[in-house]
Amino acid sequence: GAVVSQHPSRVICKSGTSVKIECRSLDFQATTMFWYRQFPKKSLMLMATSNEGSKATYEQGVEKDKFLINHASLTLSTLTVTSAHPEDSSFYICSAREMGTGYNYGYTFGSGTRLTVV
Amino acid sequence: QKEVEQDPGPLSVPEGAIVSLNCTYSNSAFQYFMWYRQYSRKGPELLMYTYSSGNKEDGRFTAQVDKSSKYISLFIRDSQPSDSATYLCAMSVSGGSNYKLTFGKGTLLTVNP
Repeated sequence: GAVVSQHPSRVICKSGTSVKIECRSLDFQATTMFWYRQFPKKSLMLMATSNEGSKATYEQGVEKDKFLINHASLTLSTLTVTSAHPEDSSFYICSAREMGTGYNYGYTFGSGTRLTVV
Repeated sequence: QKEVEQDPGPLSVPEGAIVSLNCTYSNSAFQYFMWYRQYSRKGPELLMYTYSSGNKEDGRFTAQVDKSSKYISLFIRDSQPSDSATYLCAMSVSGGSNYKLTFGKGTLLTVNP
């Protein structure tokens, strides 16, 4: 089945630094990838839709200058948290679906990245 | 009113019990309905998907959609300790690969041996 690889799985960084999270579709191509944020005991909150070769579409309330998204190829999207602060600490998850597949294939999720800003 | 409402639980049942998980929604444009299972500190994995109203069965899992009531359910028969996880309902307006999913909060399920 489709596999989405997300790295790193866990990262601790100092306040004020930037952190890059990678999301790769290993065995399929995806023109669209999604980035979510999940707080403890809360649902997945969609942050942005990453589009290959074009700008990402951000959800209302998400700072695009803080959460930089780059979808450089059909298999790679990156999320960079710039000038991270403790309130950015969270679980970040990406998802994608193979181009041309129907809804019944669902969306494949990465394993998530636990970001802790100290 | 949130687009998708899901009782967060927690729900604790003995092994072998039948589990019923539910979501309600307000957006009548939703056509595609999914259930995901998420283990602690992992990404969600797709369990079931349904288009429009109706039932779908896969092994011990049954998904039901009642669009007239804007209500979806997931039933787990003969529950096992390995079913212990958070279950998230999700839905979308379109089945296209560029359409976003709207998730419920998730229900934390514990199946006790």
